Amino acid sequence: AQSVSQHNHHVILSEAASLELGCNYSYGGTVNLFWYVQYPGQHLQLLLKYFSGDPLVKGIKGFEAEFIKSKFSFNLRKPSVQWSDTAEYFCAVIGDTGRRALTFGSGTRLQVQP
Amino acid sequence: SAVISQKPSRDICQRGTSLTIQCQVDSQVTMMFWYRQQPGQSLTLIATANQGSEATYESGFVIDKFPISRPNLTFSTLTVSNMSPEDSSIYLCSPRDGADNTQYFGPGTRLTVL
Repeated sequence: AQSVSQHNHHVILSEAASLELGCNYSYGGTVNLFWYVQYPGQHLQLLLKYFSGDPLVKGIKGFEAEFIKSKFSFNLRKPSVQWSDTAEYFCAVIGDTGRRALTFGSGTRLQVQP
Repeated sequence: SAVISQKPSRDICQRGTSLTIQCQVDSQVTMMFWYRQQPGQSLTLIATANQGSEATYESGFVIDKFPISRPNLTFSTLTVSNMSPEDSSIYLCSPRDGADNTQYFGPGTRLTVL
């Protein structure tokens, strides 16, 4: 069975600070990995996704994530956060067999202070 | 990306009643998933609904409580039966893009059970 861990539950940063949110998954086969964002009062939006190829993927709004297979990790990064990045961030995984739906991590609440 | 609409967007219901949530997608999708997001929590998969077959339920969710219909490739319904306050949650349908494993989310249905 696949599972996802997000160790940072609540992160508070000042504007212009750098961001890195941790995501580790548990699955023995090939995975597709995703980061979704949920702004206050809005629905989930796809930030970026990794299927194969270059392990460093770039998404919308200046976000990027790096897939490190040896560490089962897919951390989200942004060099300089803005107040508008305040949101809940969810890492999700889907494996190549078994359950074919996304499994979500518990989420990380990011609060950016102006 | 798929455009998803759900009806109703929100509802307040009495204990013991049932509510049917409708999900409409603007394109044909093979796989449709239903999730629940309880207040302050991540998304939990309820079931997978594919057209022409019975829905597949995750552990902890049963058909008698959450019957699902999938009459065609653009539409699905989820019924929350015999509701209790513990069913208060946001319910989301999520179609999966046929070209890859990307899942999309709409605004969901916010249900409050009194």
